[in-house]
Amino acid sequence: DAGVIQSPRHEVTEMGQEVTLRCKPISGHDYLFWYRQTMMRGLELLIYFNNNVPIDDSGMPEDRFSAKMPNASFSTLKIQPSEPRDSAVYFCASSRDRGLFGELFFGEGSRLTVL
Amino acid sequence: GNSVTQMEGPVTLSEEAFLTINCTYTATGYPSLFWYVQYPGEGLQLLLKATKADDKGSNKGFEATYRKETTSFHLEKGSVQVSDSAVYFCALSSDDTGANSKLTFGKGITLSVRP
Repeated sequence: DAGVIQSPRHEVTEMGQEVTLRCKPISGHDYLFWYRQTMMRGLELLIYFNNNVPIDDSGMPEDRFSAKMPNASFSTLKIQPSEPRDSAVYFCASSRDRGLFGELFFGEGSRLTVL
Repeated sequence: GNSVTQMEGPVTLSEEAFLTINCTYTATGYPSLFWYVQYPGEGLQLLLKATKADDKGSNKGFEATYRKETTSFHLEKGSVQVSDSAVYFCALSSDDTGANSKLTFGKGITLSVRP
């Protein structure tokens, strides 16, 4: 089975531009998570979905960040406008159900650099 | 709230050395505990887990025992290899009543193993 697929793997953009990161979870997984990883702050949960519905977005840093999950096989994380401090690796992860909640399957990440 | 504290890194060892990475936690209820590993350029992947007190998780020569009395879940390996060089994250999942369970990660620790 294919794992969690993220795109793009690398993105370099200029401050003020819109950035869209994409994620395809593992088929059959009901939970989808967006994480951000930086050297300073480690791994931070931004938002997660259950059956395409956002459950907890308390980790979303600002209104510049938004996430959607229009269907069970696709999610986006958008930053508009982007700022240099948004530079990080963004991970998408999915899991099967609450009973196995701790066993997340991560994508390879999208490395974002905002100049 | 829930939290995970990992020892400060990085850790550098010679091949075949003994490894201990400390992890302590604070949680309400009865958490499950996990170790995730992140190899260079990849997403996190589950290494091992324990779901109740005194359980021992093991995988790839790594072990960790869920110690409720000391609220710890230290990771050990008797003889490390160069291929074990990675970042290791301790995490917990707490199924609080009325809330949605989610993973809380520690900051991670980088392990480098010299030939």
